[in-house]
Amino acid sequence: TQLLEQSPQFLSIQEGENLTVYCNSSSVFSSLQWYRQEPGEGPVLLVTVVTGGEVKKLKRLTFQFGDARKDSSLHITAAQPGDTGLYLCAGPNYGQNFVFGPGTRLSVLP
Amino acid sequence: NAGVTQTPKFQVLKTGQSMTLQCAQDMNHEYMSWYRQDPGMGLRLIHYSVGAGITDQGEVPNGYNVSRSTTEDFPLRLLSAAPSQTSVYFCASTRQGGGSGEKLFFGSGTQLSVL
Repeated sequence: TQLLEQSPQFLSIQEGENLTVYCNSSSVFSSLQWYRQEPGEGPVLLVTVVTGGEVKKLKRLTFQFGDARKDSSLHITAAQPGDTGLYLCAGPNYGQNFVFGPGTRLSVLP
Repeated sequence: NAGVTQTPKFQVLKTGQSMTLQCAQDMNHEYMSWYRQDPGMGLRLIHYSVGAGITDQGEVPNGYNVSRSTTEDFPLRLLSAAPSQTSVYFCASTRQGGGSGEKLFFGSGTQLSVL
């Protein structure tokens, strides 16, 4: 099983600040996904990156896939309280299964 | 759109009791899976199914059984609950392929405590 690590584990910032969270592996992935999970709910897919070096933007969120396809980052510009949640990265494992990182728990304070 | 529906939302069991976590999806997805989520460990795959009548083990299958008699339903059974099974359980169904690749749709989870 391929493993995914995420950093930081916890992050607490003020509204309006910028932040970056990371997802790393020693293995090459054909693609990586980012999910956001709110308390009491299941994860919801934000984006899938499939090409090394790819950058995707979703409003104030910018996702990047590393050139070697072993890592990815999520950058949030001008964070808002609504961005609060657990951010998970995931990659395809065997068959149609996915392996998930442990997540970064983000708290954006008003 | 209901998506993936899980019941119950919360459950407390005593050690040794058995129970079934229900999962149903209305998106006609062939692939479904069960994960458990523990603090600091992310989501770990318990069992999965590639279609009705076909199931297989994931990363942490011990103590759990599954069956898939229809495309819609994928229940997870705890045979004899243990405190180590205290966790939050998520069912997911997967939309396959397409230009953006596979996409997992998750239920809202079942928080299980085993005393």
